Amino acid sequence: EVVLTQSPLSLPVTLGQSASISCRSSQGLVYSDGDTYLNWFQQRPGQSPRRLIYKVSNRDSGVPDRFSGSGSGTDFTLILNRVEAEDVGVYYCMQGTHWPFTFGQGTRLEI
Amino acid sequence: EAQMVESGGGLVQPGGSLRLSCVASGVNFSVYWMTWVRQAPGKGLDWVANINPAGSDKWYVDSVKGRFTISRDNAKNSLYLQMNSLRVEDTAVYYCVRRPRDLDYWGQGTLVTVSS
Repeated sequence: EVVLTQSPLSLPVTLGQSASISCRSSQGLVYSDGDTYLNWFQQRPGQSPRRLIYKVSNRDSGVPDRFSGSGSGTDFTLILNRVEAEDVGVYYCMQGTHWPFTFGQGTRLEI
Repeated sequence: EAQMVESGGGLVQPGGSLRLSCVASGVNFSVYWMTWVRQAPGKGLDWVANINPAGSDKWYVDSVKGRFTISRDNAKNSLYLQMNSLRVEDTAVYYCVRRPRDLDYWGQGTLVTVSS
């Protein structure tokens, strides 16, 4: 099973500053179709998870361009620029390349 | 607008059974793999099972194999999860999600509580 290790697990930030979350995989995540199925999700308090970034760096429709994803191989990063109050929640990385698909432990972002 | 609505959760005793349903709209249900993902109270996200568009290929995580069965009815735009031999550790919110490899659309979830 692929293990995704997120860091930090808790991320206190100041409004307007930037934040970065790391996701390290125990295996490479390139699928046989050539794509890398490393995705990022946001879960606000009391809500269902919402996808932010798919296949490493593709931002979903409606997601502010303050969010960006990058990485390759086994190291991936989610960056939040100019953090706003609405960004509070838990962020998860997830790999959809190797079954069973797996999630990181989650990073709690707090203002 | 894409929407998935889960139902069927509730309180059940250990060893009991429950059937979850998910009705999808606006997501072209019949051509996509679907999945169930769960989240125990205060915990992270965990996989449960996937099913291909035809309903002929099903993947399960080890912890639910032999106890849970995923199925679908494309004519009704519906996804199901039959859960038998439920354990206390199955207590969670269960989410119906489209496209297991990248989980693009999520339902609001239905809470299953296994307790005596």
